[in-house]
Amino acid sequence: DTAVSQTPKYLVTQMGNDKSIKCEQNLGHDTMYWYKQDSKKFLKIMFSYNNKELIINETVPNRFSPKSPDKAHLNLHINSLELGDSAVYFCASSRALGRNTIYFGEGSWLTVV
Amino acid sequence: DQQVKQNSPSLSVQEGRISILNCDYTNSMFDYFLWYKKYPAEGPTFLISISSIKDKNEDGRFTVFLNKSAKHLSLHIVPSQPGDSAVYFCAAPHTQGGSEKLVFGKGTKLTVNP
Repeated sequence: DTAVSQTPKYLVTQMGNDKSIKCEQNLGHDTMYWYKQDSKKFLKIMFSYNNKELIINETVPNRFSPKSPDKAHLNLHINSLELGDSAVYFCASSRALGRNTIYFGEGSWLTVV
Repeated sequence: DQQVKQNSPSLSVQEGRISILNCDYTNSMFDYFLWYKKYPAEGPTFLISISSIKDKNEDGRFTVFLNKSAKHLSLHIVPSQPGDSAVYFCAAPHTQGGSEKLVFGKGTKLTVNP
């Protein structure tokens, strides 16, 4: 009964590959996010979606393409992976835009070798 | 541009004592602040928040204090318990380009020793 679930939890892949991280929330929330925590431990927003519509794209390289097939899902596809993409990626959701509590998934540890 | 700063990467306290985690911010437009707690291999979870119209908010063992003039807030945990050992992130909503996003500090790793 995990609220925000993302898969895979761990991913090791070679440079140049394309990979996807899937995210689903069963909270009935309208808004979903992708956050990245890099090696310096900063937790930064990458994208936010509200009712399947892109709201925030935080100047992320266009190799990163989020896709929201419905309100409960926000998948992250990454093309041509680079070493610097190694990070922990957190999916999250909130009831709506604005100052609503954000619920995070457990994170997906991506290592590019 | 680090708008939310947590200058102490780690803190160690004895069980039963008070833990004080600090956070500074640079943007005077920030009017709402949150603390998130993160255990290893888990995502951050919301802990407590405070609006800038208040200078204190308390929830059980957790109290957040806000000093707007100093652009400083702190999270007090008393008494500290071993289960409180985690990374604590300070965050604030930042409005830019008509959209609001949460800006996080780097986190402080709290260790509560039995």
